[in-house]
Amino acid sequence: QKEVEQNSGPLSVPEGAIASLNCTYSDRGSQSFFWYRQYSGKSPELIMFIYSNGDKEDGRFTAQLNKASQYVSLLIRDSQPSDSATYLCAVNGAGNNRKLIWGLGTSLGVNP
Amino acid sequence: DGGITQSPKYLFRKEGQNVTLSCEQNLNHDAMYWYRQDPGQGLRLIYYSQIVNDFQKGDIAEGYSVSREKKESFPLTVTSAQKNPTAFYLCASRKDREAFFGQGTRLTVV
Repeated sequence: QKEVEQNSGPLSVPEGAIASLNCTYSDRGSQSFFWYRQYSGKSPELIMFIYSNGDKEDGRFTAQLNKASQYVSLLIRDSQPSDSATYLCAVNGAGNNRKLIWGLGTSLGVNP
Repeated sequence: DGGITQSPKYLFRKEGQNVTLSCEQNLNHDAMYWYRQDPGQGLRLIYYSQIVNDFQKGDIAEGYSVSREKKESFPLTVTSAQKNPTAFYLCASRKDREAFFGQGTRLTVV
């Protein structure tokens, strides 16, 4: 059973701090990695994707991928109260399998 | 504007009724998915389709049915065989790697 694991949280950080969210996956052949943000009662929104080892930065967000250790992380710099949400990690395997494997999500609260 | 439209936003079903949730996309995406999300839970895959006139069962297909007669449309029917249908239903589509979601349908059994 291919799995994606995340700490459920809640993770609480003060406004302006760096929030660090982690995700591990079991399928060593995984090729594509995604972070989605989901506000309460709303649908998930894609905020970052990464396909190669290393860091990828987009504004206040940085995704980090380490395929050897099978983890992917999301850093949120200068955290804002509006970042308070659940963050879902999703992983896609190799080949023609178009299914995404989802983690259960990490709840993040940013305190003013 | 391109996007994925789910309707209705809220749906109430009586015991023993079948209901159909609509999902339409104008993104020209080949693959479409239906997920169920329960409170505090992750996304569970119900059905997915990679091409018109073809679809596959996901992890929790029992009590659900789908069709894919057009590229743009992937409706989900929740049948009376689904014993606990109250949940948040999400439709998604993908062309290459990234998936995008509709706004969801919240189904409640009354």
